Amino acid sequence: ETGVTQTPRHLVMGMTNKKSLKCEQHLGHNAMYWYKQSAKKPLELMFVYSLEERVENNSVPSRFSPECPNSSHLFLHLHTLQPEDSALYLCASSQGAGSNEQFFGPGTRLTVL
Amino acid sequence: AQSVSQHNHHVILSEAASLELGCNYSYGGTVNLFWYVQYPGQHLQLLLKYFSGDPLVKGIKGFEAEFIKSKFSFNLRKPSVQWSDTAEYFCAVRDYGNNRLAFGKGNQVVVIP
Repeated sequence: ETGVTQTPRHLVMGMTNKKSLKCEQHLGHNAMYWYKQSAKKPLELMFVYSLEERVENNSVPSRFSPECPNSSHLFLHLHTLQPEDSALYLCASSQGAGSNEQFFGPGTRLTVL
Repeated sequence: AQSVSQHNHHVILSEAASLELGCNYSYGGTVNLFWYVQYPGQHLQLLLKYFSGDPLVKGIKGFEAEFIKSKFSFNLRKPSVQWSDTAEYFCAVRDYGNNRLAFGKGNQVVVIP
């Protein structure tokens, strides 16, 4: 347990569905991240939030929409996804968005049919 | 943008063998360096990190890594592996003061009892 939880752990959805991934951190951190982990590819940073403000959007398609209502919670809203979006989506948090260690959640395994 | 190279994606070893995983990065300025490990079915967790000071860094579970600035490298080593070291190992690099943590593709290490 790293203090970062993610739900659901597994999600199967059709291309026309709308779903949301949830991340919660219990570490008192003020920065949160979404990553995409695909087979045989490096982890891809998607979004960075610092003090609930989005500070980085790494050219992610608009079918992925992040939301950070407070420093402990981070959502990733999904709609009209494509099969190539199937991957493991990881949430992480850190104290500050600078050089400190990031703590990762277990991920949500997403399959888009 | 920073790029991180990890070679020999699949490594198979016998117990008690020595392990060395290479990591090279592209940015020539001040960097923060990390090795993360992902055991089967578990979340990414930090193995060790280098920010400054002694370039030989000791981590958990007997792992160490050496930062060689002239070679842009941060290779991970363990003198004698155990079956429980079977995992995927990721090198990550952050340009100093940047939000972005760039990951390599990972090394899948299998230790045979």
